[in-house]
Amino acid sequence: GENVGLHLPTLSVQEGDNSIINCAYSNSASDYFIWYKQESGKGPQFIIDIRSNMDKRQGQRVTVLLNKTVKHLSLQIAATQPGDSAVYFCAEKSLQGAQKLVFGQGTRLTINP
Amino acid sequence: ETGVTQSPTHLIKTRGQQVTLRCSSQSGHNTVSWYQQALGQGPQFIFQYYREEENGRGNFPPRFSGLQFPNYSSELNVNALELDDSALYLCASSSNKRTFGEQYFGPGTRLTVT
Repeated sequence: GENVGLHLPTLSVQEGDNSIINCAYSNSASDYFIWYKQESGKGPQFIIDIRSNMDKRQGQRVTVLLNKTVKHLSLQIAATQPGDSAVYFCAEKSLQGAQKLVFGQGTRLTINP
Repeated sequence: ETGVTQSPTHLIKTRGQQVTLRCSSQSGHNTVSWYQQALGQGPQFIFQYYREEENGRGNFPPRFSGLQFPNYSSELNVNALELDDSALYLCASSSNKRTFGEQYFGPGTRLTVT
């Protein structure tokens, strides 16, 4: 199927703590995975991506982990800040067929002061 | 800012009407994809245009159609609007057809069908 799902629909963390957002995907043919952040009233904003030949990729305060064995993707945000409050989507893409992103439902991240 | 612009920002239409949404891609990008995002859901792929031709389509009926122009801007047309068409319509541009290039999203057009 074309399901990219998330384990938790909402996540609340304390400011300064680390956040971990999880995602399960179902298409083993997917070659490329992306995390997007979407703030209210805006379009999705690219955060970080990872190719299927990698297990881990780090950016500024963010790390994406890919476990192809169990088809699991996670986004780790270090030292969460109030500006990190948003809905986070994982998306997958395959080089086969239509070049489309398949998005999950999203996780809302709320930062507590 | 991604450099992708969409117009209009908001639109209210009546059931049965037709609507045209517009997207200007980021400079240098030749691929535009359109997505529909219902409230509380992730974006759903409608179709993609590459060099003025449709390059893949999602599970949307034929009343959803599109165009891409020589300058790579794009239009999404929806005929015979239904209440369920109420959503945020996003376009995304990218510079590659089949490689790993990320897609840059515009702010979206909020369509309300009454």
